[in-house]
Amino acid sequence: KAGVTQTPRYLIKTRGQQVTLSCSPISGHRSVSWYQQTPGQGLQFLFEYFSETQRNKGNFPGRFSGRQFSNSRSEMNVSTLELGDSALYLCASSLGGRNEQYFGPGTRLTVT
Amino acid sequence: GENVEQHPSTLSVQEGDSAVIKCTYSDSASNYFPWYKQELGKRPQLIIDIRSNVGEKKDQRIAVTLNKTAKHFSLHITETQPEDSAVYFCAVYEAAGNKLTFGGGTRVLVKP
Repeated sequence: KAGVTQTPRYLIKTRGQQVTLSCSPISGHRSVSWYQQTPGQGLQFLFEYFSETQRNKGNFPGRFSGRQFSNSRSEMNVSTLELGDSALYLCASSLGGRNEQYFGPGTRLTVT
Repeated sequence: GENVEQHPSTLSVQEGDSAVIKCTYSDSASNYFPWYKQELGKRPQLIIDIRSNVGEKKDQRIAVTLNKTAKHFSLHITETQPEDSAVYFCAVYEAAGNKLTFGGGTRVLVKP
């Protein structure tokens, strides 16, 4: 079974730009969660989607948004990029509920 | 929301010794507790998990114990090897929020 994939793997953007990251979950998984990982803040929850519905959102500004498609693939968008948005963005897929979450390789975003 | 504290933040052990990492959480309704290992430049990988109806779980050299009354759980690694060197994260699943909240991570260094 193929694992979770994320594209692109690396991105360099300029302040003020916007970016879209993509996550393809494991086949059959309907839940996709997104996390921001930084050296200082660890793994911070961004949002979770299940069957195209956002069920929860972390404590991030409205510049961070996401969506999920009918095939469970998910995208997250960050508008008006700031230097502090530089981080590793990880997505994780699961069957939902108290089930294992499997992480993708992440997208490393650098904002200059 | 859930608050997860993880200690210690760094741990240096001699090869062959044991390592113990402890996490405390705040929400007594939380019911799933996974542990992830993240090697440098790689994605977090699930190494063991425990559900709230179980007190202990073992898998070869690793074990997790859960004390629901005290709201803490611990990861035990026995007979440590250099390949155990990594950052370990505990996490707590909040059923009400459909989200994992992570501890701050423990950097484990196993010295040969």
